[in-house]
Amino acid sequence: KAGVTQTPRYLIKTRGQQVTLSCSPISGHRSVSWYQQTPGQGLQFLFEYFSETQRNKGNFPGRFSGRQFSNSRSEMNVSTLELGDSALYLCASSADSRTEAFFGQGTRLTVV
Amino acid sequence: QQPVQSPQAVILREGEDAVINCSSSKALYSVHWYRQKHGEAPVFLMILLKGGEQKGHEKISASFNEKKQQSSLYLTASQLSYSGTYFCGRLPNTGNQFYFGTGTSLTVIP
Repeated sequence: KAGVTQTPRYLIKTRGQQVTLSCSPISGHRSVSWYQQTPGQGLQFLFEYFSETQRNKGNFPGRFSGRQFSNSRSEMNVSTLELGDSALYLCASSADSRTEAFFGQGTRLTVV
Repeated sequence: QQPVQSPQAVILREGEDAVINCSSSKALYSVHWYRQKHGEAPVFLMILLKGGEQKGHEKISASFNEKKQQSSLYLTASQLSYSGTYFCGRLPNTGNQFYFGTGTSLTVIP
């Protein structure tokens, strides 16, 4: 079956702009989680969506938001970008957050 | 909140064994293990549930001590393909907020 697809793979944005990242989970998976990965902080949990509802949110400012659609596809939005938002953003798909997760290849965001 | 892993980095020769530890200050419902190769996405290896149920992966096994809130990943007869960064992850007893550990870089050399 098809894996988790994240688009775009690479993105360069200017400080102050906003960005939207997309994640298409594995068919049948209803849980989608988002993570930020940086060399200094490792993998940090952003939020988790299940059946269009945000169930959990990590310790990130309100500039980071997301949503999930009825087909389980999810988007993540970051507004008013800062240089420190430069990172690899990973999305993970699972049948439920308590089962194994399958990761997409990530979106590499660079803020200049 | 973030589990602490040890060691931070380890270098092995092919065929040697390794143990990676994961320690949490919070009660655990389950522990997940993932491996991430450079430039790639993390790949699921193992899940250990409270109560001892375990799913394995080839020559890699793990233990889960609920009382000590610790898990260990055992890699036997390491292969070059084992190189990468290993992450443990924890789920609490309640809720679904998932936290990855600090990571362990493992390098296997010929």
